[in-house]
Amino acid sequence: GAGVSQSPSNKVTEKGKDVELRCDPISGHTALYWYRQSLGQGLEFLIYFQGNSAPDKSGLPSDRFSAERTGGSVSTLTIQRTQQEDSAVYLCASSTRSFFTDTQYFGPGTRLTVL
Amino acid sequence: KNEVEQSPQNLTAQEGEFITINCSYSVGISALHWLQQHPGGGIVSLFMLSSGKKKHGRLIATINIQEKHSSLHITASHPRDSAVYICAVGYISNFGNEKLTFGTGTRLTIIP
Repeated sequence: GAGVSQSPSNKVTEKGKDVELRCDPISGHTALYWYRQSLGQGLEFLIYFQGNSAPDKSGLPSDRFSAERTGGSVSTLTIQRTQQEDSAVYLCASSTRSFFTDTQYFGPGTRLTVL
Repeated sequence: KNEVEQSPQNLTAQEGEFITINCSYSVGISALHWLQQHPGGGIVSLFMLSSGKKKHGRLIATINIQEKHSSLHITASHPRDSAVYICAVGYISNFGNEKLTFGTGTRLTIIP
């Protein structure tokens, strides 16, 4: 595609429900990143994929958060048993190879609201 | 203390003024990015640099590795430059993993 796409653009859910957020990176980009931005707060790094593997999952806020990437393309971020503090905009970005060598291209984000 | 500190947090200037936003970091970085987040929320990567200086149009980014400091300059500022500017650094953790950390951003408002 022309850019990074994310779906849904908005998600409202009830506390305790599970949600899945999807990211479609730019075709051919091997590196994919998930970030979170809570209301009025800065960006928070969650997880980074190089191909299908995530070398470091320590940025995930709790064990209710998980992410996977299959086929080196689409990634899903799953939040189980959502809590109100999970409400935020979840952003995905991709780059050709690495944060250290390449520009990141950001998706529009998914705004998650947990009631 | 945050690993990445930006200043100022907020900046209001008149159209045409020269703008400087600063970023200081405490880790040994591999790369530094400047990002722009518009009021609608979209984020655009402006620069990625690991040394020296880069220029794109009215924007200039510099980095001093020894002083662990980077600056973003905007010449002939325009109201459309109004946005939040974010400094982000990448570094290798003690466990050998790539890590990313962000400054809290500088909110720039350019008044016509």
